Amino acid sequence: KAGVTQTPRYLIKTRGQQVTLSCSPISGHRSVSWYQQTPGQGLQFLFEYFSETQRNKGNFPGRFSGRQFSNSRSEMNVSTLELGDSALYLCASSLVGQVGEAFFGQGTRLTVV
Amino acid sequence: QKEVEQDPGPLSVPEGAIVSLNCTYSNSAFQYFMWYRQYSRKGPELLMYTYSSGNKEDGRFTAQVDKSSKYISLFIRDSQPSDSATYLCAMSGGSGGYNKLIFGAGTRLAVHP
Repeated sequence: KAGVTQTPRYLIKTRGQQVTLSCSPISGHRSVSWYQQTPGQGLQFLFEYFSETQRNKGNFPGRFSGRQFSNSRSEMNVSTLELGDSALYLCASSLVGQVGEAFFGQGTRLTVV
Repeated sequence: QKEVEQDPGPLSVPEGAIVSLNCTYSNSAFQYFMWYRQYSRKGPELLMYTYSSGNKEDGRFTAQVDKSSKYISLFIRDSQPSDSATYLCAMSGGSGGYNKLIFGAGTRLAVHP
């Protein structure tokens, strides 16, 4: 069974640009969450999607947005990139009802220069 | 004060030692408790998850939750060099939502031969 797939693995962007990251969950998993990991703040929750609807949102500015498609694949977008957005962005998927069993992808490492 | 506190280490032990990793938390509404292992440049890998209080064992790993003390532990028996990684505790529940994981800072573990 394939795991959570995130693309691309690495990205370098310039301040002010926007970026879109993609996540394909484990087959059958309908809940997809996004996290940001930095050395200073650790792992922080961005948002969660289920059935194409955002169910929960963390404390991030509106420049961070996401969406989920009917096949449960998800994308997150960051607009007007800032240097502080450099981080590892992780996607996690889980089965509905199996709280606690969230499986993470390898992440996308975003560097903003 | 952070909702979840975890000593970042590093923790260095000889091969074969019993390792004890711990987290404390402040939100009494947390009901789901997880331990993840993260190797360098990889996504977090789910090791154990526990609902409410109690113990759970899986091979060399034992997770304990004491909700009365707001304290969780992960024990690793017969530690191996391959266990060298960062261990992250995570929790969820209450008004934050069950799929919103709150992570500790992670403890870096090194097991030397």
